[in-house]
Amino acid sequence: DAGVIQSPRHEVTEMGQEVTLRCKPISGHDYLFWYRQTMMRGLELLIYFNNNVPIDDSGMPEDRFSAKMPNASFSTLKIQPSEPRDSAVYFCASSLRVGRAEQFFGPGTRLTVL
Amino acid sequence: AQKITQTQPGMFVQEKEAVTLDCTYDTSDPSYGLFWYKQPSSGEMIFLIYQGSYDQQNATEGRYSLNFQKARKSANLVISASQLGDSAMYFCAMREFLSSNTGKLIFGQGTTLQVKP
Repeated sequence: DAGVIQSPRHEVTEMGQEVTLRCKPISGHDYLFWYRQTMMRGLELLIYFNNNVPIDDSGMPEDRFSAKMPNASFSTLKIQPSEPRDSAVYFCASSLRVGRAEQFFGPGTRLTVL
Repeated sequence: AQKITQTQPGMFVQEKEAVTLDCTYDTSDPSYGLFWYKQPSSGEMIFLIYQGSYDQQNATEGRYSLNFQKARKSANLVISASQLGDSAMYFCAMREFLSSNTGKLIFGQGTTLQVKP
C-alpha cells in the first residue's frame, strides 16, 4: 500500500483565498483524522471520521474550516476564507477500527497564508 | 487537565548511549493503549511502538522499548545505542478504548532529542 496520500505538499496562498487540502487514507482503514501542527500550539486534532461520518469536530477552530469525506477513499479539509494565522502543517492520518489501531500519518501539507 | 504529559522539552544524548524519554498519562479508562511517534526534521510522523494497558510485558521494537509502569501511569520510551538519525521530536500518545471518543489519540507536547556525535 502507498500509505496515506496528501496533496498538495506545499501551498502558498493569499489571505482571503479558499484553500482545499486533500487526503487519501490507507485502503481498508475505518478512521480518518485531520491534524494541524504549529510551533505555538503543537499537534491539534481538528476532526475525525469513522466510516465517512464525522465523529468529533470539536477541534475545528472556526466556521471558516470545513471537512468532508464523501467516500472511504477521499477526504478534504477546506479553509474559506484563509487567514495568515492558518499557516501550519496539516496532517491527515488513518487507522483501523479494531486492535491497537495505530494511526498512520500522511506526509503533511505545509500551508502558508500571506 | 493534561491527559498526556511530557516534561522534557529537549534532551541531549551522546551517540551510542541509551536515553529515556518520559511520558505520564491520566485516564480512568481501564482499557487503553499508549503509543510513541517520531517526527524527524523532514516532518513526517512515524509510529514507533505500542503498549496496551493489559499487556503483561513491556513492549520492545528493535532499539526501542517502553518502560511501562501502570501504577505510576508512566510509559517512558527507552532508545538504546542512540544513533545520529534518532535526532527528532518524539510524541507520546494515548487511546482510551472504552471512551465514547475511542477513535481519538491524545498527544503530548513532544520532546526534542538531539544525539551528539
